[in-house]
Amino acid sequence: TQLLEQSPQFLSIQEGENLTVYCNSSSVFSSLQWYRQEPGEGPVLLVTVVTGGEVKKLKRLTFQFGDARKDSSLHITAAQPGDTGLYLCAGETGANNLFFGTGTRLTVIP
Amino acid sequence: ETGVTQTPRHLVMGMTNKKSLKCEQHLGHNAMYWYKQSAKKPLELMFVYSLEERVENNSVPSRFSPECPNSSHLFLHLHTLQPEDSALYLCASSQARYAGNEQFFGPGTRLTVL
Repeated sequence: TQLLEQSPQFLSIQEGENLTVYCNSSSVFSSLQWYRQEPGEGPVLLVTVVTGGEVKKLKRLTFQFGDARKDSSLHITAAQPGDTGLYLCAGETGANNLFFGTGTRLTVIP
Repeated sequence: ETGVTQTPRHLVMGMTNKKSLKCEQHLGHNAMYWYKQSAKKPLELMFVYSLEERVENNSVPSRFSPECPNSSHLFLHLHTLQPEDSALYLCASSQARYAGNEQFFGPGTRLTVL
């Protein structure tokens, strides 16, 4: 089983601050996905990165896939209370098999 | 209804009970998945169905029994569960089971086993 470790596990910051979440593994993945999950809901896909070194931006969120396709980072600029949630990375292998990370629970305080 | 729906949203059952979780997708997808999300472990894949055929079974105990009668519906039949089976059970669907397909998740069923 591929293991993806996310850090930090918990993060509480003030509105307007920047933050970075890391997702690390010793396994190589064909793609890396990031999800956000809010209480009482299932995960919702934010982005998929496919190529080693790829950077994608989604408004204030910047996602990067490591050159070796084993790790990824999520950077949020000027965090807002609406960013609060559980952030999950997931590495894809083979036919749409997803291995999820341990999760980072973010709280943005107004 | 849109997207992926799951019923019930909450379920409390004893260890000797038999219950079923239901998932329905309204997206016209051909692949469906059951995941387990517990407090101390990463979200883990349990079963995968593609075109109503089970294609993946990740060493899940036999007290969990999936059923996919058609491409829109997925069930998880539960019997003789243990307290450690208490978790959020998530259903997901994707257009097809190949790399790069986005999986759409339902809201989950919160299961408590007493």
